[in-house]
Amino acid sequence: AQSVTQLGSHVSVSEGALVLLRCNYSSSVPPYLFWYVQYPNQGLQLLLKYTTGATLVKGINGFEAEFKKSETSFHLTKPSAHMSDAAEYFCAVSDPEGFQKLVFGTGTRLLVSP
Amino acid sequence: EAQVTQNPRYLITVTGKKLTVTCSQNMNHEYMSWYRQDPGLGLRQIYYSMNVEVTDKGDVPEGYKVSRKEKRNFPLILESPSPNQTSLYFCASISLQSGRRNYGYTFGSGTRLTVV
Repeated sequence: AQSVTQLGSHVSVSEGALVLLRCNYSSSVPPYLFWYVQYPNQGLQLLLKYTTGATLVKGINGFEAEFKKSETSFHLTKPSAHMSDAAEYFCAVSDPEGFQKLVFGTGTRLLVSP
Repeated sequence: EAQVTQNPRYLITVTGKKLTVTCSQNMNHEYMSWYRQDPGLGLRQIYYSMNVEVTDKGDVPEGYKVSRKEKRNFPLILESPSPNQTSLYFCASISLQSGRRNYGYTFGSGTRLTVV
């Protein structure tokens, strides 16, 4: 069975600081990996995804993530935080064969202070 | 515009009063799924459907029913809601056709349900 662990239910950064949200996964097959963002009172928006190919994936709003198979990680980063980045972020994994089921982590709330 | 539409956005109901949350997609997706989101637990799959008349349980199906009579619609039914079903619910869909899977899921805007 696949699973996702997001370290830290809350992460606080100052505006302009580096954002690092951690995600580790467990999967018996090479997975597909996703990061979603949820702004207050809104639905889920896809930030970026890794399926195959280049392991460094760039997404929207300046975010990127790197798939590291040896570390079973898919951490999300952004060089400089903006106030508008304050939201909840979810990492998710799926099996390329049973691709349809997304297994989510428990989420990390990003707080950005001026 | 390609989208998944859920209704209602907000719902307050009483214990035991049957309710239905509707979900409709306009992308001709084969696969549809319901998730519930709870603080500290992330999103958990309730039910899913691979195509018309094909449905199956997810990780937390107790207390829920679904149906898939048409490809575009996938309603979530709570026959006798209880307070522990107070949650934020999301419907999602994705194409199962090879070459389109990489487009990923499309999520609805969510339904916040409160059962008192």
